[in-house]
Amino acid sequence: ETGVTQTPRHLVMGMTNKKSLKCEQHLGHNAMYWYKQSAKKPLELMFVYNFKEQTENNSVPSRFSPECPNSSHLFLHLHTLQPEDSALYLCASSSRTGSDYGYTFGSGTRLTVV
Amino acid sequence: GENVEQHPSTLSVQEGDSAVIKCTYSDSASNYFPWYKQELGKGPQLIIDIRSNVGEKKDQRIAVTLNKTAKHFSLHITETQPEDSAVYFCAASLNDMRFGAGTRLTVKP
Repeated sequence: ETGVTQTPRHLVMGMTNKKSLKCEQHLGHNAMYWYKQSAKKPLELMFVYNFKEQTENNSVPSRFSPECPNSSHLFLHLHTLQPEDSALYLCASSSRTGSDYGYTFGSGTRLTVV
Repeated sequence: GENVEQHPSTLSVQEGDSAVIKCTYSDSASNYFPWYKQELGKGPQLIIDIRSNVGEKKDQRIAVTLNKTAKHFSLHITETQPEDSAVYFCAASLNDMRFGAGTRLTVKP
């Protein structure tokens, strides 16, 4: 375990479903991130939260809705997804946002949209 | 924004040989360059990093070099072992982290 826990590990959902991904860290970090990892593509930054405030929304479709109730928890709410949204969704945390803080990643949620 | 390119996309070496992965970045202001290793079923794990005021850093069998003028940096793994087989990602950071597309390294016993 890295200190960043993601649940569930696997999720299969239909295009009309609503589901949520959860990320939890107990590293005392103040910044949390959602990344999308698709085959043969670079990691795509989706959202950034710093001290619970969203500081970046990287042009993500509104069918993805993040929530950060506190510095230790991060959610990604999903609704009316498309098959092309199938991917590995990674959560990461760092001490804070900025240019020289390494990220700690969770193991990801493998999402399949059918 | 920052753009990071990584080569090669796949690399196969014999156990005991060295492996080199190269990355270039576009924003000369980027000042932090981490490398991550991702094993099957796991998230990326930080293995080594270098800051812009340093040209080279070594940790046992892995080393990273940075050429700020040319805007490229490289990961070197010596005496490779089968457990080094994984996908490796470089990244460059200014205000947020931008990743390369990854290199799948296979070390044959």
